[in-house]
Amino acid sequence: DTGVSQDPRHKITKRGQNVTFRCDPISEHNRLYWYRQTLGQGPEFLTYFQNEAQLEKSRLLSDRFSAERPKGSFSTLEIQRTEQGDSAMYLCASAQRNYGYTFGSGTRLTVV
Amino acid sequence: SQQGEEDPQALSIQEGENATMNCSYKTSINNLQWYRQNSGRGLVHLILIRSNEREKHSGRLRVTLDTSKKSSSLLITASRAADTASYFCATDILQGAQKLVFGQGTRLTINP
Repeated sequence: DTGVSQDPRHKITKRGQNVTFRCDPISEHNRLYWYRQTLGQGPEFLTYFQNEAQLEKSRLLSDRFSAERPKGSFSTLEIQRTEQGDSAMYLCASAQRNYGYTFGSGTRLTVV
Repeated sequence: SQQGEEDPQALSIQEGENATMNCSYKTSINNLQWYRQNSGRGLVHLILIRSNEREKHSGRLRVTLDTSKKSSSLLITASRAADTASYFCATDILQGAQKLVFGQGTRLTINP
């Protein structure tokens, strides 16, 4: 599979619990992005890695959110103490400069 | 915050007709990209147009870019039922770290 893989596809969690999502990018791509999308809206930028370095974080990313990309390969996005407002689709994408992004199918998070 | 605005927000046409979607943005860009998203799925890259290009074609897609007006349009010719999806423009802005900033999308429905 040469695409971007995200796991899990769906996650239902109780408010206050921690969740972690994984993204496996295209191996040749050194840039990896996380976006969040709510119903009827466009994706909103969360954070961006070039190789293992996290180069930018959105103000949307509160201190309950943390992302890592060890060794510049796969990435994880963790949300601590989830809130109902965290319910959304979390999208991962990888890219090379001046080319289109390749998105994964997303992880749909529902906080109950 | 969203950089781009798509117009219209929703469009419904008959199969075989052409569909035109417009996008406006605010800041200087490196390139502009169009993506398609089927309901509940990830985004699929359609076409990228660089800031020094004015028009680009890919199959039944035609994209124009007017940097003086900070606007772009996506034309889908001879529409098919399978074109039913949401379409997003995204700008690769020049300021700060490289990332795509998405608009809120146009919901396109093709009626058989």
